[in-house]
Amino acid sequence: GQQLNQSPQSMFIQEGEDVSMNCTSSSIFNTWLWYKQDPGEGPVLLIALYKAGELTSNGRLTAQFGITRKDSFLNISASIPSDVGIYFCAGRAPRMDFQKLVFGTGTRLLVSP
Amino acid sequence: DAGVTQSPTHLIKTRGQQVTLRCSPKSGHDTVSWYQQALGQGPQFIFQYYEEEERQRGNFPDRFSGHQFPNYSSELNVNALLLGDSALYLCASSPRTRDRFNYGYTFGSGTRLTVV
Repeated sequence: GQQLNQSPQSMFIQEGEDVSMNCTSSSIFNTWLWYKQDPGEGPVLLIALYKAGELTSNGRLTAQFGITRKDSFLNISASIPSDVGIYFCAGRAPRMDFQKLVFGTGTRLLVSP
Repeated sequence: DAGVTQSPTHLIKTRGQQVTLRCSPKSGHDTVSWYQQALGQGPQFIFQYYEEEERQRGNFPDRFSGHQFPNYSSELNVNALLLGDSALYLCASSPRTRDRFNYGYTFGSGTRLTVV
């Protein structure tokens, strides 16, 4: 099935560092979402983006909806150990029922204290 | 307020068998979607139910079927299990609103299915 391209696949950083990850698609999306998944749990929504160019923050997290509508990025500032997990982007294509999401391949984040 | 509840949490089945997974949506939600997440991959959309009918389907064979009950809970059934069906099966619920700015999409913790 279709999946969005996420990069990097994994990151190992020191506590306090900033992190950036992105997501690209070959087709246009009109909604971009970023989720975090902890081991043994389902994904939890972090940020939702609804408009091209939109920049949205949630605490130390900032995400942007690309102008071309084919990409999005997520930044985490001043990382802490509890940021460890897998981060997924997800998109909803135009004219698609708003419930159906296409997910990225995930970015695994490890934070060293 | 209970979130999305899935059962069982883990399951081991033999190839060729059939399995039923269950999901209770978050209170106030009437729409249920099912996703399959293979190890190391992102979730893949299987199908969505509301008003007790399948409304949208991803690229999954007919071996995958579902049901939604009047209380909005849902079941996912998989027949003739294959080794490749081993995955985490996630249920997500949301309110049936066309307001795309109200993205109340909540995932359960999933059922880990292992086919041997």
